[in-house]
Amino acid sequence: AQSVTQLGSHVSVSEGALVLLRCNYSSSVPPYLFWYVQYPNQGLQLLLKYTTGATLVKGINGFEAEFKKSETSFHLTKPSAHMSDAAEYFCAVSRSNDYKLSFGAGTTVTVRA
Amino acid sequence: DAEITQSPRHKITETGRQVTLACHQTWNHNNMFWYRQDLGHGLRLIHYSYGVQDTNKGEVSDGYSVSRSNTEDLPLTLESAASSQTSVYFCASSDGGSLNTGELFFGEGSRLTVL
Repeated sequence: AQSVTQLGSHVSVSEGALVLLRCNYSSSVPPYLFWYVQYPNQGLQLLLKYTTGATLVKGINGFEAEFKKSETSFHLTKPSAHMSDAAEYFCAVSRSNDYKLSFGAGTTVTVRA
Repeated sequence: DAEITQSPRHKITETGRQVTLACHQTWNHNNMFWYRQDLGHGLRLIHYSYGVQDTNKGEVSDGYSVSRSNTEDLPLTLESAASSQTSVYFCASSDGGSLNTGELFFGEGSRLTVL
């Protein structure tokens, strides 16, 4: 079985400040890792994903994440928050031989002017 | 453009009634999934299908059923709705095969309230 833990259900940042969302996973095999974003009253959109290769992954809207196998982590960062980044963010994991995704509980990001 | 659509987007029903939520995708994806989203739980997998006539139970399948008679549709049925099934339901699809990278494409969700 695999699970995903997102540390912090709510994060508040000032506009222009660093956004850091933490995600740790447990998996018995090398995983595929994902970050999704959900804007109010919408479905989930893929921000970025790690499958194989380079461990630093760049996504849309200036976000990036680094896969650290030794720490079983896949933290999401953005150097400078924008008001439009206010949303809920989900970390997810799957195995390379499985199509199902397991999601974390989500982190709501609020951006202060 | 290809897309995935859910209907209805909002529904209110009474305890004990049967409810069906529709999901239709035009990507010709083999894989389709139903998740429910509840505060503090993220998204939890209800049922999934890897092709026509294939259905599988997820982690919270009790009280739900699905059927896959064609590639495009995976309707979710609540046989006898319960208040605990009040939630937002998301349908998703993904491509399968050797090039699969696991990415899911989501519908906009169906908000179900059971009174």
